[in-house]
Parts: sequence; C-alpha cells; structure tokens
Amino acid sequence: QKEVEQNSGPLSVPEGAIASLNCTYSDRGSQSFFWYRQYSGKSPELIMFIYSNGDKEDGRFTAQLNKASQYVSLLIRDSQPSDSATYLCAVNGGGGSNYKLTFGKGTLLTVNP
Amino acid sequence: ETGVTQTPRHLVMGMTNKKSLKCEQHLGHNAMYWYKQSAKKPLELMFVYSLEERVENNSVPSRFSPECPNSSHLFLHLHTLQPEDSALYLCASSQVRTGIYEQYFGPGTRLTVT
Repeated sequence: QKEVEQNSGPLSVPEGAIASLNCTYSDRGSQSFFWYRQYSGKSPELIMFIYSNGDKEDGRFTAQLNKASQYVSLLIRDSQPSDSATYLCAVNGGGGSNYKLTFGKGTLLTVNP
Repeated sequence: ETGVTQTPRHLVMGMTNKKSLKCEQHLGHNAMYWYKQSAKKPLELMFVYSLEERVENNSVPSRFSPECPNSSHLFLHLHTLQPEDSALYLCASSQVRTGIYEQYFGPGTRLTVT
C-alpha cells in the first residue's frame, strides 16, 4: 500500500514568517512530487513540483526533496494571510503507473495577520 | 473556456435518481481522472482514462460508471447512490506521454445524496 503522510496540523504562523510543510512517502520508486494548495470549498491548485533531489524555488515557495530519506517539504517565505489553505502533498506511482498520484490528507495552514 | 471545467457545480439527488457529471479539459492532455474527496480523507482516485482507454478502476462500486468518448471529455454516470457517496467529485487531466505528469483539477461537483 503506497502511502503519503502529512502532519494534519493545523499549522499556525504569523504573517511574514516562514511556514514549513512536510511530507513523507513509502514508495521508493516514486519519481515526481507535487504540492497542491486547496482553499476551503475549492479544488486543489498545483503550486510546485520537483523531480530531483535538492531545492527548487519559485517566488516565495521552495520545494525540497530528499529521496534517500523519502521526504519532501514545502517552505513558504514571507507568509501572507492569503496563504491560509490546506496543502496537499502528492507523489507519483513510479514504474508503469507514473501517471497515478497518491495524495496525503493535507496540512491546514493558518497565517495570522 | 480554459483549463478543466466541470458541470454541474452542485447536485442534490435522491437515492433512486440517475444523473451524470461532466468534465471537459481544454489543455490538450491525453489522460483524465475522476477523484472523490470526502471530509478528513485523502483524495481517492476512482478512474483513470489514458488515450480514451480506462487504465485504472480502484474497486469503485458499480453504481458509478465512467465514460470517456474522446480525450477532452469525461463523464461519471451515477445511479442508485447511497448517502455515503455525498462528497466533492473532482476531475483532473494530465499529459502522460511527454514525462510531464502534473494533474490539473477542475472546480469539482459537490454531490449530496438524500
């Protein structure tokens, strides 16, 4: 059973701080890793993806991947109240099912003004 | 229209009704997906169509019946549903041949079964 684990939170940070969201996965064959943001009552929106070990930066967002530790994280710098949402980690299946994503339950982030 | 669209956005149906959910993608992708999202549970993959062929069916009850007439359209036919089927139903699409596997979601259909 392929699993993706996230701390459900809620994670609460003050405005302007760095929010750190973490995710672990069980399938060592996974090759692609995704972060989605989901506002309450809305559908998931892709914000970052990463394929290689290390860091990938996009604006205020940085995704970090460590395949040896089966760990992926998302850092949000200068957090804004508009970043308050549930963040979903998703991992592809690897091998012949690499089109298939397994999602974690999500971490609820609250950014306090 | 851009991205992935879904209709209807909200649906209330009785347990004996038959209804269909529609999804259309305008991204030129070749794979489409149906997911179910219930409270406190991770997204559950229901069906996958790649190049209009069903390649995944995760033990979904037969009261859910998918249809993919072409690479841009996906339907989910519903009949004799149960109250526990009330959830947000999400359609997604991706391009699976070029090594880009990101999935893009539609806005979802909020289904309530009474």
